[in-house]
Amino acid sequence: EAQLLESGGGLVQPGGSLRLSCAASGFTFSSYAMGWLRQAPGKGLEWVSAISGSGGTTYYADSVRGRFTVSRDNSKNTLYLQMNSLRAEDTALYYCSKNRGVTLPDWWGQGTLVTVSS
Amino acid sequence: QSALTQPASVSGSPGQSITISCTGTSGDVGAYNFVSWYQQHPGKAPKLMIYEVTNRPSGVPHRFSGSKSGNTASLTISGLQPEDEADYYCSSYTTSNTRVFGGGTKLTVL
Repeated sequence: EAQLLESGGGLVQPGGSLRLSCAASGFTFSSYAMGWLRQAPGKGLEWVSAISGSGGTTYYADSVRGRFTVSRDNSKNTLYLQMNSLRAEDTALYYCSKNRGVTLPDWWGQGTLVTVSS
Repeated sequence: QSALTQPASVSGSPGQSITISCTGTSGDVGAYNFVSWYQQHPGKAPKLMIYEVTNRPSGVPHRFSGSKSGNTASLTISGLQPEDEADYYCSSYTTSNTRVFGGGTKLTVL
C-alpha cells in the first residue's frame, strides 16, 4: 500500500518562503506522476500542482504559477513544493498525492499545515 | 479556472439512493471523460471513489456509480449506509492541462 508523509509546514510571514517535502513508499515512485493539493481551514479542495514521473513536465494552478515550484528526487523517493511570495490566502493543509495519469490524485497523504500570517 | 458547481448539501435515509450533481463548462467537464469523485470524512484525507466518469477503484463498493451528460456529471450512491455520511468532491481535468474541483457536497444520512 502506498504511503505518503508530508513535512515542512509551519507558520511563515507574508512574502516569506517555505519548502514542503513528501516522502513516498510502498510503490515504484519514479513510475508515477505526483501532485500537491490544498484545503483551507473549513473549505474545499484545491488542486495546486502536478509533476510527471521523470520530473520533466510540471503543471500549476493559476493561483500559484510563478510563485510555487514542484520538483522531485526519484533517488530519494521524495516530492517537493517550493513556495515563495506566500500570501495569507495560501494558508491551508497541503496534501501530497500519488497520481493516476498525470493530474488525477488516487492516493493522498495526511497533509502538512501551512499558515501565512504576521 | 472557476470551481465546478455542486449542491452544498444532500441527505437521504439508509437504504435510499441519492445523486450529487457537478456542473462545469465545455472547458472541463464537457471536454473530456476525466471526471472523478472523492469522499472525505472529517479530519481525514480524501479518498478516490470514481475516476474517468464511471470507473471504480478496487475496493470501492458497487453502490457508488458515476455518469455524465454534457457539462454535468453525477455521483449516485445506492443503498445508503451510515458510513457514507461525508463530504463529496467532484474534479475534472481541463483544457488548460490543470485540474479543477467542485466546492463540495455534505451528505447527511438521516
